[in-house]
Amino acid sequence: GNSVTQMEGPVTLSEEAFLTINCTYTATGYPSLFWYVQYPGEGLQLLLKATKADDKGSNKGFEATYRKETTSFHLEKGSVQVSDSAVYFCALSDTGGFKTIFGAGTRLFVKA
Amino acid sequence: EAQVTQNPRYLITVTGKKLTVTCSQNMNHEYMSWYRQDPGLGLRQIYYSMNVEVTDKGDVPEGYKVSRKEKRNFPLILESPSPNQTSLYFCASSFYLGQGSTGELFFGEGSRLTVL
Repeated sequence: GNSVTQMEGPVTLSEEAFLTINCTYTATGYPSLFWYVQYPGEGLQLLLKATKADDKGSNKGFEATYRKETTSFHLEKGSVQVSDSAVYFCALSDTGGFKTIFGAGTRLFVKA
Repeated sequence: EAQVTQNPRYLITVTGKKLTVTCSQNMNHEYMSWYRQDPGLGLRQIYYSMNVEVTDKGDVPEGYKVSRKEKRNFPLILESPSPNQTSLYFCASSFYLGQGSTGELFFGEGSRLTVL
């Protein structure tokens, strides 16, 4: 079945450091891929998405590229800020599945 | 403002006392879904609905019921809550894109339930 695996956290970085959160997926069809972010005390919100192979999603300085050959969708940001501290979820939505499947989430702490 | 509204946000109850968590969206979305979030497990789908009067089980439906009598509302019902249903619950909605595929999910702010 479909699944999403992302790196375990927590990840702790200093401000202005480079961020990578790894995400790999298993899917039978041609899924759309998403990164959602959850700030403390809030619901999840879409950070970025990609709907087909080689697409790059980007938002707020974050980027992720849909790599079909490696079944990956790693999240990157060149310079993190304290305000980026949150939990990040990788997710996929496949045809016929009627649902979005989430990874376990990666908590990011950014220190000033 | 486009939003998904859940109530209550926080609830402490006792084993066996029926409760309902309401969810309403104002974006005319066909698709609505309930998730529970537990540490280390991410989000797991409880039930979903493709449209009015159309609902189906997700991955962890035991102990829960839902209904979809109106397009905007999708309440989650716990007929006889137990301590293992203590969790953070999220309602989400989306447009239906066809072929069993949904688009971006819009989430409510969550309902933290404690069952003693």
